[in-house]
Amino acid sequence: GNSVTQMEGPVTLSEEAFLTINCTYTATGYPSLFWYVQYPGEGLQLLLKATKADDKGSNKGFEATYRKETTSFHLEKGSVQVSDSAVYFCALSPSGPNQKVTFGTGTKLQVIP
Amino acid sequence: DAGVTQSPTHLIKTRGQQVTLRCSPKSGHDTVSWYQQALGQGPQFIFQYYEEEERQRGNFPDRFSGHQFPNYSSELNVNALLLGDSALYLCASSLRFETTYEQYFGPGTRLTVT
Repeated sequence: GNSVTQMEGPVTLSEEAFLTINCTYTATGYPSLFWYVQYPGEGLQLLLKATKADDKGSNKGFEATYRKETTSFHLEKGSVQVSDSAVYFCALSPSGPNQKVTFGTGTKLQVIP
Repeated sequence: DAGVTQSPTHLIKTRGQQVTLRCSPKSGHDTVSWYQQALGQGPQFIFQYYEEEERQRGNFPDRFSGHQFPNYSSELNVNALLLGDSALYLCASSLRFETTYEQYFGPGTRLTVT
């Protein structure tokens, strides 16, 4: 079956540090890949997505590139802010309409001033 | 444009009771999926509805059931509650034939079973 593996947290960084959260996946075919963010006490918000190999998703300074050869979709940001503190989930959806989304276990990010 | 809404926000039940959670999808969306998120875990897929029928189901017992109404809103019912059912229940909506399959999540219902 499909699965998503992401680095365990928590990740603690100082403000303006560089962020990388690793994510690898197992799936047949060409799934769509997503990063979702969950702020304390809230639901999930889509951060970025990529739907085919070599696509780069980006939003709010975050980026992730769909690497088919390494089955990875690592999340990066050049300079984190305190407001980026949240839990980040990597996820995939198989190709085709209305396939269920498989999530990783989440990585908690804490940014300190 | 209203996003996905869920009610209630919080709920406390005792073991053995039954609960109903509600979800209204984002305007224009016709598909609703339900997820269970245990504390410290990623969301787990429960089931998905479109055209008022359950179309896909995850690895959850029959105690979990649902319904979709003609206006695309949905309910999640859980019978014979167990302590392990305590979790955040998330509803997500999408458009059936949207090729990138982007889901929009509601804020969730926090269920506590005592």
